[in-house]
Amino acid sequence: SAVISQKPSRDICQRGTSLTIQCQVDSQVTMMFWYRQQPGQSLTLIATANQGSEATYESGFVIDKFPISRPNLTFSTLTVSNMSPEDSSIYLCSVYKGAEAFFGQGTRLTVV
Amino acid sequence: AQRVTQPEKLLSVFKGAPVELKCNYSYSGSPELFWYVQYSRQRLQLLLRHISRESIKGFTADLNKGETSFHLKKPFAQEEDSAMYYCALATSGTYKYIFGTGTRLKVLA
Repeated sequence: SAVISQKPSRDICQRGTSLTIQCQVDSQVTMMFWYRQQPGQSLTLIATANQGSEATYESGFVIDKFPISRPNLTFSTLTVSNMSPEDSSIYLCSVYKGAEAFFGQGTRLTVV
Repeated sequence: AQRVTQPEKLLSVFKGAPVELKCNYSYSGSPELFWYVQYSRQRLQLLLRHISRESIKGFTADLNKGETSFHLKKPFAQEEDSAMYYCALATSGTYKYIFGTGTRLKVLA
């Protein structure tokens, strides 16, 4: 299994600012994923982060808006840049291990 | 297009009644399907996957390729089953998940 810690658990931010979300895993994993869950909607994959390479972004998400770092096999960050109220969502970190996906508890972001 | 559809946002049943949470998918390849559950104030966690054909907490789900469905069933609902349930499809070889919009199950006493 894998235990994921995400920080912060929630934040309220001013529009135009940036927030960096941290994801720490208790074991080494190859692939880490970042999801977004907008109010009343499903989880949508933002990007896949592999250690030692650039993150791979899904359609509709770009690196300038959601830069990702993956410095080692247990840690990743997602930055939400130049925030607007439309970025208010829950952001989740996930890893795939042993044929199962594990999730962090999420970061609830409110942009005002 | 790859898609997972859960038609019910909310499903309310009485304790002891049967439960069926519907999930339909659209995927051109060979799907790997999962049910994830999120209990109140807890993180999303795996309930079951179609490959293992197991029963977890009394829940079962059968993959029906003809109907492209993966409905979640339990013969007798318990109050502790109240949670948010998500059906998910993993695209082969990528480990990327496509989630449905979720169904909130409320089991009434």
